This record gives sequence, C-alpha cells and structure tokens, in this order.
Amino acid sequence: KQEVTQIPAALSVPEGENLVLNCSFTDSAIYNLQWFRQDPGKGLTSLLLIQSSQREQTSGRLNASLDKSSGRSTLYIAASQPGDSATYLCASGSGSRLTFGEGTQLTVNP
Amino acid sequence: EPEVTQTPSHQVTQMGQEVILRCVPISNHLYFYWYRQILGQKVEFLVSFYNNEISEKSEIFDDQFSVERPDGSNFTLKIRSTKLEDSAMYFCASRKDSYEQYFGPGTRLTVT
Repeated sequence: KQEVTQIPAALSVPEGENLVLNCSFTDSAIYNLQWFRQDPGKGLTSLLLIQSSQREQTSGRLNASLDKSSGRSTLYIAASQPGDSATYLCASGSGSRLTFGEGTQLTVNP
Repeated sequence: EPEVTQTPSHQVTQMGQEVILRCVPISNHLYFYWYRQILGQKVEFLVSFYNNEISEKSEIFDDQFSVERPDGSNFTLKIRSTKLEDSAMYFCASRKDSYEQYFGPGTRLTVT
C-alpha cells in the first residue's frame, strides 16, 4: 500500500526566501506525482504534474523534481511571497487513484 | 478557465439520512473521481469512474456509497445512511486524457 510523507509539516519563512518542500513515497511504481495548493477551507489547486518518465517540471517560480528510484519529490519555490502562504500537498498517482501526503503548511511573512 | 463545480457547499444532515452530493466536472473530461478529507487528516481516495462504470474504489467506498452520472454533465455521490464518521469535506475531481486531476471546491458534509 502506497504511503506518502511530507516534511516539514509546517514552515515559516520571511518574504523573498527560496524554499524546498519534500515529499517521499514508499512504492516507486507510480504513474505520476502531482503537487497541489490548498487554502484554508478551500479546494485543491493543481500546481504541477510530473509524469513518471520526467525528472522535473517548472511553472513560473515553482519547480518540482521527481526521483522515482529513491521515492522522492521536491517542490522548490523561488522568491517566496506572502500570497504563497497555504498548505502544499503532494500526491502520487498509480492506477486511477491519487495517494496524498499530509501536507506542508507554509507561512511567508512580509 | 473551465472549473469543476460542486453543490451544495455545505450540507448538514442527521445520522441515518441519505445525502446526494453533486458535481459538474469539466465538460470535455472523461474520468471522474470522489475524494474526502476528514478534518485535520489526509485527502483520501474514494472512487474513480470512467465510461459509465466504476474503475477503482477504495476500502472506504462500501455498500453505503454509490456514484452515478445521471446525464451528460452531472456526477453524483450518494451516501445511503449517513454516520457521524462520514462528516468530512468531499471533493470531486476530473481529468481528460493526461493524468492531471482538477478538483472542485468541495462540499462540507456535517452529520449530526
């Protein structure tokens, strides 16, 4: 059974800092890895999807990498802004389902 | 930009009652999903639906749950006899042929 873990559980940084969020998964037989953002009481916004054959994806200030062999993905956020404050979830995709981590709660202080 | 929509945003029901949660997936998407998130816990997969049938379901999705695509636009989740532990945020998601899933804003279900 796939288990997804995210470290750290919470992170507080000053505005402008570059940061890395970590995600690990136990079963490397995944189709893809998807990163989401969740604001309090809201739905999930897809940020990046990395297919199993890819090593990384970039969108604006976000860069996500995938290392299937070691069961790890990272989300890099450059030049963080207060508007980036949210919970970031990673989810591994296999078969039809996504298996989610607990999330990292990010606070960017002005 | 097209979005997944869900109604209602909040549903309060009494234990033992039936509830139907409704979703309108993105119009040209082919695969549909329900997930739930109990307060303070992980988002959990419930069921996936493709070509008018369930393609995968989790151990949570027992006989109390059912899904339906009653017309060309709606996708529903029915809970036959709600329990206190069914209280959660329920998310609908859809995708086209890529693997990227798009989520709706959720329905908060409160069972009293």
